[in-house]
Amino acid sequence: DAGVTQSPTHLIKTRGQHVTLRCSPISGHKSVSWYQQVLGQGPQFIFQYYEKEERGRGNFPDRFSARQFPNYSSELNVNALLLGDSALYLCASSYSTGSLMSDEQYFGPGTRLTVT
Amino acid sequence: AQRVTQPEKLLSVFKGAPVELKCNYSYSGSPELFWYVQYSRQRLQLLLRHISRESIKGFTADLNKGETSFHLKKPFAQEEDSAMYYCALSGYGGATNKLIFGTGTLLAVQP
Repeated sequence: DAGVTQSPTHLIKTRGQHVTLRCSPISGHKSVSWYQQVLGQGPQFIFQYYEKEERGRGNFPDRFSARQFPNYSSELNVNALLLGDSALYLCASSYSTGSLMSDEQYFGPGTRLTVT
Repeated sequence: AQRVTQPEKLLSVFKGAPVELKCNYSYSGSPELFWYVQYSRQRLQLLLRHISRESIKGFTADLNKGETSFHLKKPFAQEEDSAMYYCALSGYGGATNKLIFGTGTLLAVQP
């Protein structure tokens, strides 16, 4: 298993545009979480999906949305991009959403989004 | 408010010296605490979690609920320990295992 994969690796967009980021979890994992990491900061939680349902939402505007597909892959969508949306977007997968040892979150390499 | 504080942005030590990366948290409930590490050009990965009580790569961390701290320690630093370290917490037993991260500490081990 290649681990969590994300695409694209890098992306440059203009203010006001829309972007879609994709994530494929580790085989057998049913939960996907999205994090935003601005330069110099720790990752900040955006969304968590489990079995295609939203389980958690962080403090982000409605311009951010996500969904999970039947194969457990996920998309993060951001509308009306702002300069402040420039960041590394991380995806993490886990088997479930609890605190079991098996629920360790595994991170992908991230998508670097630059908004100009 | 739920918060993780890592007061040091950079910690520089010499090889063989002891290391302590500080982490304090604020959480109303029973948190689960983690240390994540990111080596150069690698993805973020779990180093250890307080419920496992394991020692990974010589690192240990003890949860001190009285001081709301979860400091990461290693008695003798190695050059390969140089990396970015993030302390994180998650709510225990909730509907989500979302992580709240600190701002990270860059550990630089000098030869």
